[in-house]
Amino acid sequence: NAGVMQNPRHLVRRRGQEARLRCSPMKGHSHVYWYRQLPEEGLKFMVYLQKENIIDESGMPKERFSAEFPKEGPSILRIQQVVRGDSAAYFCASSPIQGSGANVLTFGAGSRLTVL
Amino acid sequence: GDSVTQMEGPVTLSEEAFLTINCTYTATGYPSLFWYVQYPGEGLQLLLKATKADDKGSNKGFEATYRKETTSFHLEKGSVQVSDSAVYFCALSGGDSNYQLIWGAGTKLIIKP
Repeated sequence: NAGVMQNPRHLVRRRGQEARLRCSPMKGHSHVYWYRQLPEEGLKFMVYLQKENIIDESGMPKERFSAEFPKEGPSILRIQQVVRGDSAAYFCASSPIQGSGANVLTFGAGSRLTVL
Repeated sequence: GDSVTQMEGPVTLSEEAFLTINCTYTATGYPSLFWYVQYPGEGLQLLLKATKADDKGSNKGFEATYRKETTSFHLEKGSVQVSDSAVYFCALSGGDSNYQLIWGAGTKLIIKP
């Protein structure tokens, strides 16, 4: 019973390129959450998605960032025209229940993005 | 706004030593408090939690007590093992959007045999 799978685990991009991070939720989970951890800081909530719906994107930067969770396939966090400040660890979590409390979130191992 | 402050790492201890990782918080209302652990190469795992003042969360020999008077939730373990080497995150949640956790920066723990 695989947990939350994130890939790639490490991604290196040059400034101006695009970064795509993927998250496959745990089997049976239909709710996905993305968090970002900047160096020396705690995780910050970015976006909460259900299949084909964005429920809460209050933590997403207004430009260059987008997220989707299609009917089939993983959730994708897309960062266009990356800048050095986007270098961070991006964590995905999933849950079986809408708007779940922290104790039922299952986290992935994270994707570390480095922008040169 | 709400915030969580953890002691900086890395914290390096010998096996069987006593562990304390400090965590203090600032919050309005009555948040729930959590400790998460991330072992190398793995996802964040919930280690323990407490939902109200004076509650003690415990798991795998780790304990933390929700202290409202000192706004603290320090993580303790009486005798650490090499396998406890990991990054530990303190977090709080409250209100309706419990997935919008407020996180500390994490403390890396290194246990030497």
